[in-house]
Amino acid sequence: SAVISQKPSRDICQRGTSLTIQCQVDSQVTMMFWYRQQPGQSLTLIATANQGSEATYESGFVIDKFPISRPNLTFSTLTVSNMSPEDSSIYLCSGGTSGGITDTQYFGPGTRLTVL
Amino acid sequence: AQKITQTQPGMFVQEKEAVTLDCTYDTSDQSYGLFWYKQPSSGEMIFLIYQGSYDEQNATEGRYSLNFQKARKSANLVISASQLGDSAMYFCAMSDPPPSKIIFGSGTRLSIRP
Repeated sequence: SAVISQKPSRDICQRGTSLTIQCQVDSQVTMMFWYRQQPGQSLTLIATANQGSEATYESGFVIDKFPISRPNLTFSTLTVSNMSPEDSSIYLCSGGTSGGITDTQYFGPGTRLTVL
Repeated sequence: AQKITQTQPGMFVQEKEAVTLDCTYDTSDQSYGLFWYKQPSSGEMIFLIYQGSYDEQNATEGRYSLNFQKARKSANLVISASQLGDSAMYFCAMSDPPPSKIIFGSGTRLSIRP
């Protein structure tokens, strides 16, 4: 299985500030994704992180609010910008190896964000 | 569009008993993958088991098995001999091609009683 790490593991932030979450994957991973899990809810895909180009965002998520970078194959960042209490969630990075139907996605430990 | 449905918001099971978590899906694709993940209170998502749509045999991984009924579009997770450490949220998920995005069901909270 792929090894995926994230940091920070948790943070408490003030309204109006921004937080950047880092995700590091091992060399098996080719596809990287960012998910949000609001309290008591399931996971929702924010975007696919593309190496060296702009991320592909899902409906309801925009680059100005959630800028994503992936400068190389094994590293990506997600920034939550101009935060409000509604952004309080767990943010999870995931990685897959082939991009195909049979690709299993492995998840990082998540970042638990609280916005005051 | 693909959809995953988990109708059991919560379940209580006695330790050492077997438990079945229900999952139904909807898709018009012929080729797809089905997954189960476990999320303990720590928040991490742990991959449990995978079933491909063309796999004729049900997938098994240790105490986990996936009861795949393609005609009924169901992919239930069976946990044999449940343990206290099995208490967690369980999510059924489906690959949404391409490029292997995964969509998740709403989850089932499983609680194991000693």
